Amino acid sequence: GIQVEQSPPDLILQEGANSTLRCNFSDSVNNLQWFHQNPWGQLINLFYIPSGTKQNGRLSATTVATERYSLLYISSSQTTDSGVYFCAVGGSSNDYKLSFGAGTTVTVRA
Amino acid sequence: DGGITQSPKYLFRKEGQNVTLSCEQNLNHDAMYWYRQDPGQGLRLIYYSQIVNDFQKGDIAEGYSVSREKKESFPLTVTSAQKNPTAFYLCASSTWVGETQYFGPGTRLLVL
Repeated sequence: GIQVEQSPPDLILQEGANSTLRCNFSDSVNNLQWFHQNPWGQLINLFYIPSGTKQNGRLSATTVATERYSLLYISSSQTTDSGVYFCAVGGSSNDYKLSFGAGTTVTVRA
Repeated sequence: DGGITQSPKYLFRKEGQNVTLSCEQNLNHDAMYWYRQDPGQGLRLIYYSQIVNDFQKGDIAEGYSVSREKKESFPLTVTSAQKNPTAFYLCASSTWVGETQYFGPGTRLLVL
């Protein structure tokens, strides 16, 4: 299956700071999703972004499929941004499985 | 209020016992999924279903079974053959396979 590497594994931010999370993947993808898992375990879908750039409020994401990476940007971070951010990718059009990375744990301090 | 519900929130299993985790959605989604999450790790796919009466094995299906008799429901049974069942189990759905996935709140399974 496709290998997914996320970096950094841990990130500590002061409230108001900006940050960039990275997701590298080992093969061509036709599906890439970013999720946020809050401290209670709930996963929320942030972006469906197999290519291109999207923005949603203080969050934005860019996927460069030809170079096999995606970036998630958090601007003006807030304590509610704390949690684990996962990147998940899917490969061929006949294989609907998503492979998840190990995640980046973000802690935003007030 | 549309969404995905999972029950129970916590479940305790005795040795040799089968247990069933419930997942219900009222989003009218065709595809449903079951994932397992171990502490400090990402999610791994157990089973997925593209449509009623159809399901496919994921990466770690051994020791688990599912059914999809109704569009709204995709229960997961953890059988006694699963030797290390302690984990956080997450159910998800999407309009169709390969589309944006939406997750339920999860069930934590503990072995007594």
